[in-house]
Amino acid sequence: AQSVTQLGSHVSVSEGALVLLRCNYSSSVPPYLFWYVQYPNQGLQLLLKYTTGATLVKGINGFEAEFKKSETSFHLTKPSAHMSDAAEYFCAVSANNQGGKLIFGQGTELSVKP
Amino acid sequence: DAGVIQSPRHEVTEMGQEVTLRCKPISGHDYLFWYRQTMMRGLELLIYFNNNVPIDDSGMPEDRFSAKMPNASFSTLKIQPSEPRDSAVYFCASSSGTPRHSHEQYFGPGTRLTVT
Repeated sequence: AQSVTQLGSHVSVSEGALVLLRCNYSSSVPPYLFWYVQYPNQGLQLLLKYTTGATLVKGINGFEAEFKKSETSFHLTKPSAHMSDAAEYFCAVSANNQGGKLIFGQGTELSVKP
Repeated sequence: DAGVIQSPRHEVTEMGQEVTLRCKPISGHDYLFWYRQTMMRGLELLIYFNNNVPIDDSGMPEDRFSAKMPNASFSTLKIQPSEPRDSAVYFCASSSGTPRHSHEQYFGPGTRLTVT
């Protein structure tokens, strides 16, 4: 069975600072990994995904994530935070044998200070 | 494509009333998911369908909740009777089961339900 743990329910950074949101997963089979973003009063939007191949994945809005199998991690980073990045971020895992179901983490709320 | 469409966007109802939430998935997608989001419990998967057939309803909280998918372009989530603890934002999402799309889900804007 798969599971996802997001470390830190709230993260606060200053504008221009590095953003690092942590995600660890558990999966008995090679996972598919996702990061979603949710802006206030909106649905979740896909930021990026890892399936196979290159372990460093680039997404929208300057975000990227690196799949590290040995650490079972898929941390999300952005070199320089913008005020518009303030939102809730969800990590999710799936497996090809799970029939399309995603297991979501509890979410990390990112605040960006001016 | 217009994306996943949900209606209504907001619903306010009194306890004991029947509530029906509606969802139109992205055309061509063969998976449809219903989620509930609250501050206390976060994002919960209620039920999902594949090719209009319910696959896993283990997240449906109780018999007051039911979901149907009569065809590939429409699904409903019904609560009867509604209770104040059902107040939440309900999301519908859809995805394509093809390997190329790797199960990435596309979410609708949600229905904010308030039961008084």
